[in-house]
Amino acid sequence: EPEVTQTPSHQVTQMGQEVILRCVPISNHLYFYWYRQILGQKVEFLVSFYNNEISEKSEIFDDQFSVERPDGSNFTLKIRSTKLEDSAMYFCASLTEGLAGELFFGEGSRLTVL
Amino acid sequence: TQLLEQSPQFLSIQEGENLTVYCNSSSVFSSLQWYRQEPGEGPVLLVTVVTGGEVKKLKRLTFQFGDARKDSSLHITAAQPGDTGLYLCAGGVLLAGSARQLTFGSGTQLTVLP
Repeated sequence: EPEVTQTPSHQVTQMGQEVILRCVPISNHLYFYWYRQILGQKVEFLVSFYNNEISEKSEIFDDQFSVERPDGSNFTLKIRSTKLEDSAMYFCASLTEGLAGELFFGEGSRLTVL
Repeated sequence: TQLLEQSPQFLSIQEGENLTVYCNSSSVFSSLQWYRQEPGEGPVLLVTVVTGGEVKKLKRLTFQFGDARKDSSLHITAAQPGDTGLYLCAGGVLLAGSARQLTFGSGTQLTVLP
């Protein structure tokens, strides 16, 4: 069964460092997302990406965040200068088309900022 | 900002009991999905409902979408310990084209005791 894969599974970094989280979406999907979940809190939308550009972003997704799909398979989330409050589980997801399309989630990348 | 309120937040029941989890919003959604999330993993889709008043059954789970497409419920009959997990509802809103943003509820942590 096709799946969304994410790396690394866990990253520990110092405050102020840059972090890149990587995702390989399901190959024939066209819509890609990043969500995050702070420990004990709800899953929050960060950004959606379609046709090589951001289609929607939340207020969480400020100038410190960026996404790109550099080679047609990987989908990356970059945090330029991490803050303590960026510590969370980051989930990548890709979507089958249509109103009732299923959003497939990866297993997540846990980011710990010290 | 669209919000989804889930209740109860925590639920602990004995094996064999029935339970209902509620998901309510003041906003109308194009679709409503229910996910189950295990610790340290990404959410896994259980069901999608798109029509007001729609009822879907998945073995012992019954999902209903409200007539006005603002609320939903998940009913589990004869709960089993394997049903233990975090249940998330997510409202879908169509964006440009057929891209879709999901707004997640805060989740219901269900524990079924043997």
